[in-house]
Amino acid sequence: NAGVTQTPKFQVLKTGQSMTLQCAQDMNHEYMSWYRQDPGMGLRLIHYSVGAGITDQGEVPNGYNVSRSTTEDFPLRLLSAAPSQTSVYFCASKLGNTEAFFGQGTRLTVV
Amino acid sequence: KQEVTQIPAALSVPEGENLVLNCSFTDSAIYNLQWFRQDPGKGLTSLLLIQSSQREQTSGRLNASLDKSSGRSTLYIAASQPGDSATYLCATRGSQGNLIFGKGTKLSVKP
Repeated sequence: NAGVTQTPKFQVLKTGQSMTLQCAQDMNHEYMSWYRQDPGMGLRLIHYSVGAGITDQGEVPNGYNVSRSTTEDFPLRLLSAAPSQTSVYFCASKLGNTEAFFGQGTRLTVV
Repeated sequence: KQEVTQIPAALSVPEGENLVLNCSFTDSAIYNLQWFRQDPGKGLTSLLLIQSSQREQTSGRLNASLDKSSGRSTLYIAASQPGDSATYLCATRGSQGNLIFGKGTKLSVKP
């Protein structure tokens, strides 16, 4: 099993550009989520999904969209990048109340 | 609203020392508590998961305990090594199925 795979690892965007951060898991986990990690703020939930076709907002959803068409994939879309979205983004998955697994992260810089 | 606190924010110890990392939470009605390790520029690696019905979990030199009544968990690291240097994060399940994280303890083990 590859676990949780995120691409790309690094990305630089210009303000106003859009992009999609990819996340895939091969563990058949029904729950997937996106977090951002910022210095002094810790990890904060952006969006989450409890299964294919079901998504919901987390603590900091503004400026981001998600979809969940399959169990395996949970992409995060930045609609119009802003410098405030400079951060490290992590995707995670889990099954019920069991152990959560994280991807290696995407380091995004918006200039 | 659940809040998770980790004190101290940073800890430096000599190699070989046994040490304890602390995690406290405000709402004792938790499903579980998970400890992670994060190396600089890397993702989160799961260390131990303690379900609410358990008092402790062990993996190698690591032992995590859970005391729901006092809202505390501790991660005990025996015979610390320089390779243990990392940031340690604890997290408990939130109402949206997500993880609510503390801000971490940055551990430095000096040779």
